[in-house]
Amino acid sequence: ILNVEQSPQSLHVQEGDSTNFTCSFPSSNFYALHWYRWETAKSPEALFVMTLNGDEKKKGRISATLNTKEGYSYLYIKGSQPEDSATYLCAEGIGYALNFGKGTSLLVTP
Amino acid sequence: EADIYQTPRYLVIGTGKKITLECSQTMGHDKMYWYQQDPGMELHLIHYSYGVNSTEKGDLSSESTVSRIRTEHFPLTLESARPSHTSQYLCASSESRLQETQYFGPGTRLLVL
Repeated sequence: ILNVEQSPQSLHVQEGDSTNFTCSFPSSNFYALHWYRWETAKSPEALFVMTLNGDEKKKGRISATLNTKEGYSYLYIKGSQPEDSATYLCAEGIGYALNFGKGTSLLVTP
Repeated sequence: EADIYQTPRYLVIGTGKKITLECSQTMGHDKMYWYQQDPGMELHLIHYSYGVNSTEKGDLSSESTVSRIRTEHFPLTLESARPSHTSQYLCASSESRLQETQYFGPGTRLLVL
């Protein structure tokens, strides 16, 4: 993998469903993996930054895992709520060398 | 909520006009960044600064210029706007520490007619 790739591109779930998406990145020269949540007309909000293989972070109903050896990270949302509707961005690297994926757009309907 | 501000939020302007997009942060961060994003695409870095009087171009070529005269202020200028400059521009800042989380402003959506 040469770039940061996210899948799926978009996702539509019902309120209460649990969901997850994937971020794939080049496993060589890994520095850090960042997840952001970006709601329409608002600033992207930092969710997690992870650096160690096997790292797992949690914030409320949202959690993330990291596998640096195979170059992927998963973001999980347990019991999705309409307010979770947003675009979720991942980025690998640091500073001026932070490479972003195109994001996963999540829509949660009541 | 991060204290980083961008103005204007939306701008519609004619070809050939000079525009300045403002970005300010009150967190005292040394590092600031400008990203450009087209619909459905990744954020691409166009400029960054690691401190006062320090500016560098990012990996995406841009006709815009930036300045960093004060720590808190990092404006972006287009001397002569063209339709190809239509895009969303996001400003971010970060501390100089190990993990360097970048904090973003809400962005400026620019439409050049």
